[in-house]
Amino acid sequence: GESVGLHLPTLSVQEGDNSIINCAYSNSASDYFIWYKQESGKGPQFIIDIRSNMDKRQGQRVTVLLNKTVKHLSLQIAATQPGDSAVYFCAENIWSGYSTLTFGKGTMLLVSP
Amino acid sequence: DTGVSQDPRHKITKRGQNVTFRCDPISEHNRLYWYRQTLGQGPEFLTYFQNEAQLEKSRLLSDRFSAERPKGSFSTLEIQRTEQGDSAMYLCASSSTLDGSAKNIQYFGAGTRLSVL
Repeated sequence: GESVGLHLPTLSVQEGDNSIINCAYSNSASDYFIWYKQESGKGPQFIIDIRSNMDKRQGQRVTVLLNKTVKHLSLQIAATQPGDSAVYFCAENIWSGYSTLTFGKGTMLLVSP
Repeated sequence: DTGVSQDPRHKITKRGQNVTFRCDPISEHNRLYWYRQTLGQGPEFLTYFQNEAQLEKSRLLSDRFSAERPKGSFSTLEIQRTEQGDSAMYLCASSSTLDGSAKNIQYFGAGTRLSVL
C-alpha cells in the first residue's frame, strides 16, 4: 500500500506487481517532464521523459502519463523487480530564457521479493 | 567511464573552513549544472553554465558560494566559511543543446557528500 512517511511518501509492492508513482507539478507553463530514479548513495538516473504536447509515452517496462488539466504526472512500472527499489523524482522543465529543472519531493519505492 | 564524475565523493570539514568540489561533465555536453540535495528532498538548483558562461544562479547560492567553469569543460564549486547548514549532497549534472532536440535531459554524477562539523 501507499503511506506518507516522515520524509518521503513510500510505496511498498511485491515483486512482479505493477507500480504506479504519482507526481503533481506546479507550473502550467512547464513544457517537458522527466522521471529520475535515485538509489542510495548515487545521483539521479534518467528513466523516461515526456513533452507537454503528449499524454503518454512508453519505454521498457515503464510508462509515463501526463494529465495537463490537473497538472499530474504518473510513472507506471510493469512487473516491478527488487532492483527497482529506489526514490523516484519527477522533474518539470520550465523555459524562461533558459531551461531549468524543478524537482518534486520524491517517492520511495520498496519492492519485496 | 564516460558519465559525469565528481570529486571527492565525501568531504568532512570543520565549520569556517573552505571547501572545493570538482565536476567533470560528459564529453561534448555544453551545459553544466550544480544542485544541492538534503535528506528526503529532491535536488535544488544552484547554478548552471553554458560553455564557460555562468548563465543563472539561484537565490540559494549565497555569496559564500562560487562556481567556475573556466574552459567550458570541468567545473568547480567552492564554499567559503562553511556552516553546518551547508551539509548536504552536492550534485553536478550535464546536458547538451547540440543535438537539436530542444530537450533538457540532465545526466547526474554520484555527488559529493559534505559534512560540516
